[in-house]
Amino acid sequence: DIQMTQSPSSLSASEGDRVTITCRASQTISQYLNWYQQKPGKAPNLLIYAASTLQSGVPSRFSGSGSGTDFTLTITSLQPEDFATYFCQQTSSTPYTFGQGTKVEIK
Amino acid sequence: QVQLQESGPGLVKPSETLSLTCAVSGYSITSDYFWGWLRQPPGKGLEWIGSMYHSGSAYYNPSLKSRVTISVDTSRNQFSLKLTSVTAADTAVYFCARDQRTSPPKFEYWGRGTLVTVSS
Repeated sequence: DIQMTQSPSSLSASEGDRVTITCRASQTISQYLNWYQQKPGKAPNLLIYAASTLQSGVPSRFSGSGSGTDFTLTITSLQPEDFATYFCQQTSSTPYTFGQGTKVEIK
Repeated sequence: QVQLQESGPGLVKPSETLSLTCAVSGYSITSDYFWGWLRQPPGKGLEWIGSMYHSGSAYYNPSLKSRVTISVDTSRNQFSLKLTSVTAADTAVYFCARDQRTSPPKFEYWGRGTLVTVSS
């Protein structure tokens, strides 16, 4: 299985901050990398697919980059509704696997 | 608008079989796409269980493959999960989702999730 490692596991930030979350794959996955946002008690919500393509309806303050093994999710100007947990997912090969999550908390 | 809704028992006894159904509305499951199940133990990360195409082609997580069956009921536009010989480690929120396997792969639509507790 391809292991996905996210960092940090949690972070504290203020409204308006720029936030960066990284995800590293244990082997190359090209650009088969998705990012999801999950709020408590809710299903994950797709933010970014194919490493850098913004899902329809997702605000442009979210962006993704990377290829191969190293990927980044960036949130420019953090908004109150962005406080949540973020997961990366590789879809290069089955079994699809997820990172352990990064919880973004209010400072 | 594509919508998915999980249903099934919230409590299952150890060694028994967990059975869940996902009703799909707003899209015919025979049109395209795979249909999958994922789970999330309380306070933990996400695990993909498996996905199935309406024709019967299926992919399962090898870690669960010996205990998992996913089936599709095209007449009811729904699909189901069976997980046998459950233990406390199978306690989780179970999600159904549409699995766009190609161009590029992503899980765009999800159900709300249903908590299944394994306990006697």
